[in-house]
Amino acid sequence: DSGVTQTPKHLITATGQRVTLRCSPRSGDLSVYWYQQSLDQGLQFLIQYYNGEERAKGNILERFSAQQFPDLHSELNLSSLELGDSALYFCASSAQNHNEQFFGPGTRLTVL
Amino acid sequence: QQPVQSPQAVILREGEDAVINCSSSKALYSVHWYRQKHGEAPVFLMILLKGGEQKGHEKISASFNEKKQQSSLYLTASQLSYSGTYFCGTVIQGAQKLVFGQGTRLTINP
Repeated sequence: DSGVTQTPKHLITATGQRVTLRCSPRSGDLSVYWYQQSLDQGLQFLIQYYNGEERAKGNILERFSAQQFPDLHSELNLSSLELGDSALYFCASSAQNHNEQFFGPGTRLTVL
Repeated sequence: QQPVQSPQAVILREGEDAVINCSSSKALYSVHWYRQKHGEAPVFLMILLKGGEQKGHEKISASFNEKKQQSSLYLTASQLSYSGTYFCGTVIQGAQKLVFGQGTRLTINP
């Protein structure tokens, strides 16, 4: 158990819909990262927040957005969902920037 | 910007050694190694900062050649538990984000 929690574990929805994925980092960790992993693919970095501020951005689509709240939990919002958005979405946290990252169990999103 | 890993896949017998390489076209600040077992989240192995240092973790060690912008992960006397996909992640000097390679799938057979 990494100490990072993600909800929900599974999510099945239809094209065009909007969903919100939630992540609670390890106690004391200020950085939160979001990754997308499609079937048998690598980890695509989406976005990083540090203590509530956006720190770095990767290949995140305009239909996706994220935020980190004062209690340091983070949410990833995916809208106008397409079939290709089906993937495993991981959240990770670290104490500082570029430190060891602890990954949550992931949220498996299926878009039908 | 994505680092290139080689080989893409390797199959070994228990007890054999393996080397996984990771290279970048940009000057690197750090290299990170993670292992992901099927159906699970990636797990941190080690971080190497520029300076050519070598780190170890049980029978798994890694090196970082700053001049060549390359890192290698060494698995010695592999165990069945070493099976999984190994990802290297790189942070380019002056950049903020960690970018992962496509992964190397390691299969250890008895």
